[in-house]
Amino acid sequence: GNSVTQMEGPVTLSEEAFLTINCTYTATGYPSLFWYVQYPGEGLQLLLKATKADDKGSNKGFEATYRKETTSFHLEKGSVQVSDSAVYFCALGKYNNNDMRFGAGTRLTVKP
Amino acid sequence: DVKVTQSSRYLVKRTGEKVFLECVQDMDHENMFWYRQDPGLGLRLIYFSYDVKMKEKGDIPEGYSVSREKKERFSLILESASTNQTSMYLCASSLRGRELNTEAFFGQGTRLTVV
Repeated sequence: GNSVTQMEGPVTLSEEAFLTINCTYTATGYPSLFWYVQYPGEGLQLLLKATKADDKGSNKGFEATYRKETTSFHLEKGSVQVSDSAVYFCALGKYNNNDMRFGAGTRLTVKP
Repeated sequence: DVKVTQSSRYLVKRTGEKVFLECVQDMDHENMFWYRQDPGLGLRLIYFSYDVKMKEKGDIPEGYSVSREKKERFSLILESASTNQTSMYLCASSLRGRELNTEAFFGQGTRLTVV
C-alpha cells in the first residue's frame, strides 16, 4: 500500500543553519506530495506541494522537489529562523484525498 | 478566511462514556476527515466522508463511528471511550479533486483524555 517514511527527529539547529528533512514514499500510480507544518498548539497547515514528477514546491523559503526516480520529496531551507520551530509532516495523497498518508512527523527546534 | 472548527480544544471523559467530537467547515468542501495524532505514529485516518451521509473507513475505525447529516458538519463518535483512545483528534476538509489532489484544511485539534 501507499506509505511515507520520514526522517526521525527531533532536529535542533542554530538560527541561519541549513535544513534538510528527508521524506521517501511508496505508492502505486502518480501521487501528489505535500509538506504540512504544525506550529505549537495549532492544527496542520499546508506548507508546499508538488503534483507531478520534477515539480518543485516552495513557500516561505522552504523547497521540496518531487523525485520519482528516488521516490523522495525532501524538505530544504537555506537559512532557518527561530519562528520555523514546529513539527513537519510529509504526506502523500491520491485522487479524492481518500488515501492521504502522513509520515510520523519531524520536530524542528531552532535556537537563537 | 477558510475555517475548520472543532468544538472543543480539550476534553476529559471517563471510561465507558459515549463521546462526541464535532467538526464544522465553512468552505463548502465535499470531503471531510477524522485523524488521530499520536507521538511517533503521525496521523492515522479513522474515517472519511466524501458526501452527506456517505462514509468510508480509514486505517483505524475500530471503536469509532461517524455521522455526516449536513455537508458542513462531520461528527466523530466514540461509542464507549477507552483509555487507549486518549489522543489528539484532528478534523480536516478538502475539495473533491477532479484530477489532482487539493490541499486539506485542518482544525486546531481536540486533545481527548480518557480516564
